Amino acid sequence: QVQLQQWGAGLLKPSETLSLTCAVYGGSFNDHYWTFIRQPPGKGLEWIGEINHAGSTTYNPSLRGRLTISVDTSKEQFSLNLKFVTAADTAVYYCARVAGHYSLYYSYFMDVWGKGTTVTVS
Amino acid sequence: EIVLTQSPGTLSLSPGERATLSCRASQSVSSNYLVWYQQRVGQAPRLLLYGASSRATGVPDRFSGSGSGTEFTLTISRLEPEDFAVYYCQLYGSSPRWTFGQGTRVEVK
Repeated sequence: QVQLQQWGAGLLKPSETLSLTCAVYGGSFNDHYWTFIRQPPGKGLEWIGEINHAGSTTYNPSLRGRLTISVDTSKEQFSLNLKFVTAADTAVYYCARVAGHYSLYYSYFMDVWGKGTTVTVS
Repeated sequence: EIVLTQSPGTLSLSPGERATLSCRASQSVSSNYLVWYQQRVGQAPRLLLYGASSRATGVPDRFSGSGSGTEFTLTISRLEPEDFAVYYCQLYGSSPRWTFGQGTRVEVK
């Protein structure tokens, strides 16, 4: 069963860089896209970006310019770097697996999630 | 950019009652790409339904989904204590690749 373990600094000052890493255990690393989502305190979910094993990325346009997502296939890990953080970046950050299902058509969804990392910018 | 609007914001119901949650898209979307998640307090989201109506592995059959075009519905036929949570709809699209609704909280009346 696939599990995601994530870690990163929990307290940052404004203008610093947020760095998070998510490790994939249980296989299937090369078969999926891997993604980050965040949730500000008391608010809803916001998609950040995604990457596959080949390093192909898609980012949320609202974060492009500050965001880099990278992959280390040898360790089966993927990482997020968000530059020049402000208080608005305070959130719980999740990593997740993007999966697909084909019957008569393709469906895509996030089926495995990490436990979340709380990041505070202050 | 397609916007997903969920209603109501909060649903106050008793255990055993039926819950009907709505997700409206700002333009017509493929039901193939409409997903529902459940998030309990202090936990990560959990996949419930994909393709608007297909239950994920291990999801009880009291959860069902329907809809097409711009209107989608998540129905919980009889609320169990563990179903009181926040529910999000999500769309797989182009730009941005993934969009979430703002969530519906199902609380105990």
